[in-house]
Amino acid sequence: EAQVTQNPRYLITVTGKKLTVTCSQNMNHEYMSWYRQDPGLGLRQIYYSMNVEVTDKGDVPEGYKVSRKEKRNFPLILESPSPNQTSLYFCASSLTPGTGELFFGEGSRLTVL
Amino acid sequence: GENVEQHPSTLSVQEGDSAVIKCTYSDSASNYFPWYKQELGKGPQLIIDIRSNVGEKKDQRIAVTLNKTAKHFSLHITETQPEDSAVYFCAASIRGSGNTGKLIFGQGTTLQVKP
Repeated sequence: EAQVTQNPRYLITVTGKKLTVTCSQNMNHEYMSWYRQDPGLGLRQIYYSMNVEVTDKGDVPEGYKVSRKEKRNFPLILESPSPNQTSLYFCASSLTPGTGELFFGEGSRLTVL
Repeated sequence: GENVEQHPSTLSVQEGDSAVIKCTYSDSASNYFPWYKQELGKGPQLIIDIRSNVGEKKDQRIAVTLNKTAKHFSLHITETQPEDSAVYFCAASIRGSGNTGKLIFGQGTTLQVKP
């Protein structure tokens, strides 16, 4: 089954404690992206990757890092989380970015105290 | 920067009625307009999309219309059912950095269909 898998689905942490949200896709997509969803703001892109070792900032990259060492994996790293990073996060992948279907994971709800 | 405005933010309809969600976009070069449905606890899923060379597209009870001159597009759901209750996002393509394509999403509409 074609899917994007994120972990953890739910996480409560404290300010400053580094965390990583993993993302894996099994569709051999070159393009992967991270979004955050906040009420009234829709889905905003954090970072994206066009291929292995190729990453770039999206619209709200501050406070986040990513890496793309393998085609299937695209982890999101919060080096020093702050309360304003409390949000619902989605990983997505696509065969043709901007012109074709984006496949989303089920989301990771993060709370930073 | 480029943006997509979506209205209304919430919509409540009676089962069997129609629902319409509207979006406007700012980039006149946008040429791809998908709609995503997000059910509770799930990630968004593509339900229909339209490209700029087409004015209307239908798929059973859902349809999308595009007015390139006015830079707006709409989602129409007819004969609504309780399972249509969800958050709906519109999006428009723009040219991102490095000449890559990307999607800009609207703010989302929470649709409630009352039985």
